[in-house]
Amino acid sequence: QSALTQPASVSGSPGQSITISCTGTSSDVGGYNYVSWYQQHPGKAPKLMIYDVTTRPSGVSNRFSGSKSGNTASLTISGLQTEDEAHYYCSSYAGGNNLLFGGGTKLTVL
Amino acid sequence: EVQLLESGGGLVQPGESLRLSCAASGFAFSNNAMSWLRQAPGKGLEWVSSIRSTDDATYYADSVKGRFTISKDNSKNILYLQMNSLRAEDTAIYYCAKAIRGVLISWDSWGQGTLVIVSS
Repeated sequence: QSALTQPASVSGSPGQSITISCTGTSSDVGGYNYVSWYQQHPGKAPKLMIYDVTTRPSGVSNRFSGSKSGNTASLTISGLQTEDEAHYYCSSYAGGNNLLFGGGTKLTVL
Repeated sequence: EVQLLESGGGLVQPGESLRLSCAASGFAFSNNAMSWLRQAPGKGLEWVSSIRSTDDATYYADSVKGRFTISKDNSKNILYLQMNSLRAEDTAIYYCAKAIRGVLISWDSWGQGTLVIVSS
C-alpha cells in the first residue's frame, strides 16, 4: 500500500487557522474511522494530537480538531501559535497488519 | 506520568543483530499493547511491530517480518525488539510507544527514541 498523501508544507500567521489534508483510499482513510494525527518538533518524539478521526487526547488544546470526508481526513489548527510550528503526520489503519502514515507536512507559523 | 526509555541502539554492519529495550513506567505495562515504530533520517514515520497485552500476540510490518522479534517482560516492565539480519534500510530512530487504540492504530505515549545505524 502507498503512503497517505499530505501537502509538503503549509503556513499561516499567528491567530489564523490552517487545515492540513491527508488523502488515502477507500481501503484506509475512507474505510475506517481510525485516522490519527501526530505533531513532531525537530529532534523530538511524535506527540498524538488526534485519534479516531476527531478525538483529542487529554491535555491537547481544543485549538486542534480533526475531521474526515470520504477518503480525505483533515487536521485544523485554529488560533495559530508560534509553538505550533512543527511537522504533522497523519496515519490510518488499513486493515489486517497495515497501518499507513502520510509523508508529513511542515507547518510554518509566519 | 508515563515514561518510556529506549536503549540499545548503535552502529552495526549489514547482516548483524541488535536488541533494543524500552523501560516503561507510570502505567500498567502488562495491560497495554506496545509497539515499535521507526523514522529514517529526515523521513516519515513507519510502524514496525506490536505486541498485544491480552495474549502476547505479535504483529509485524512486511518490511521486517522474519527478521525482527518483539517481546516483553511484564515482571520488569521492559519491551524488547530483537533485530536480526539488519539492512542499510533499517537505519532509523526507533521509538517504543504505548497504544491508545487497538494494537497498531494509534499511540499516546512515545519514548525519546534510540538511533540504529546499519552501515559497513
